[in-house]
Amino acid sequence: QQNVQQSPESLIVPEGARTSLNCTFSDSASQYFWWYRQHSGKAPKALMSIFSNGEKEEGRFTIHLNKASLHFSLHIRDSQPSDSALYLCAPQGLTFGLGTRVSVFP
Amino acid sequence: EAAVTQSPRSKVAVTGGKVTLSCHQTNNHDYMYWYRQDTGHGLRLIHYSYVADSTEKGDIPDGYKASRPSQENFSLILELASLSQTAVYFCASSPGQGVTGQLYFGEGSKLTVL
Repeated sequence: QQNVQQSPESLIVPEGARTSLNCTFSDSASQYFWWYRQHSGKAPKALMSIFSNGEKEEGRFTIHLNKASLHFSLHIRDSQPSDSALYLCAPQGLTFGLGTRVSVFP
Repeated sequence: EAAVTQSPRSKVAVTGGKVTLSCHQTNNHDYMYWYRQDTGHGLRLIHYSYVADSTEKGDIPDGYKASRPSQENFSLILELASLSQTAVYFCASSPGQGVTGQLYFGEGSKLTVL
């Protein structure tokens, strides 16, 4: 069974700052990597995915994947209060980490 | 956008009672899933299904049954509800196997067992 660890557990950042979230996984055969975002009291919603080593950018969000080090990360540029949420990583799609709770204050 | 609806959205049950959580999707997706979410444990997969009339065990199936009578509907059944099953339950669907396909979640069903 995939072992997924996320760090940090929580983050408090000022509006406009860069936010970095980390995810490590144990199954080196993992091929598909997803980040989900869950606002308080709402359903998780897919944010971004990456299927090969490297970097992928969509707007203010960037994913980095390094399969050799079993690590992938999510970076948020110019963080906004609306980015305040629980961020969940899902290497190989079905197994989720515990999440990182991000709070962005104005 | 994909639509997954759950019912009831909130339920209070007594220990030892039977609880059925229902999920309906209008996306024509083959795969459906039931997860529970608890503080400190994150989202954990209970059961899933990739075709009608068939279900598969996930990571934490004990104490739960599932039923997929049609492609659109997927139910989670707690025959004898226990205090430890108090949680928020999410149903999800995906067009392909979840490892590649995006999961579309319902809004959740909050279950409190007293």
